Amino acid sequence: EVQLVESGGGLRQPGGSLRLSCAASGFTLSGYEMNWVRQSPGKGLEWLSYISGSGKTIYYANSVEGRFAISRDNTDNSLYLQMNSLRAEDTALYYCARGLYGSDAFDLWGQGTMVTVSS
Amino acid sequence: ETVLTQSPATLSLSPGERATLSCRASQYVSSNYLTWYQQKPGQAPRLLIYASSSRATGVPDRFSGSGSGRDFTLTINRLEPEDFAVYYCQQYGRTFGQGTKVQIK
Repeated sequence: EVQLVESGGGLRQPGGSLRLSCAASGFTLSGYEMNWVRQSPGKGLEWLSYISGSGKTIYYANSVEGRFAISRDNTDNSLYLQMNSLRAEDTALYYCARGLYGSDAFDLWGQGTMVTVSS
Repeated sequence: ETVLTQSPATLSLSPGERATLSCRASQYVSSNYLTWYQQKPGQAPRLLIYASSSRATGVPDRFSGSGSGRDFTLTINRLEPEDFAVYYCQQYGRTFGQGTKVQIK
């Protein structure tokens, strides 16, 4: 089955760190651009970060630039998001999403992993 | 940074009616890079329309997208019970609109 499964969420204090993982199955991750998107409780979607198939091109939203780092391990078919200097406003459900080939749309999403930042 | 404004925030309709959702950009957006998603409670978003008017695989033909420049529209003909959800537009694989909730009247 073609799917993405996120893991690594949890409760952290402000200023803490967390590393999210996204495991791809049913397809070869290296052929796809990947993204992280989050959704705060009861709110809308916020794009966070993009990484090209090779990992050489990376972009971040202003809200996480300098604090979060996206990476991928194509040999392990996995995507990662290293989150540092966490803030209360980072509390959200974090999704990984696959880029539709030849497009900027996201055609496959995981079910998300919840991150809560609270003291 | 381009801001996407969706209207209305909430649309109350009955099954069988037509839904017309608007997404207005603060700057020009190429129609090749405007995307629509559907999200139901407790679920991840689902790709509906990409490149402004192309339906994703498996999306029923009652869903259609149109528009250009700064104004884009998602139309749902003959609403089915499973269509009541929140819809988001997105530009260039980045900014999302704030969403339009289509609810049962």
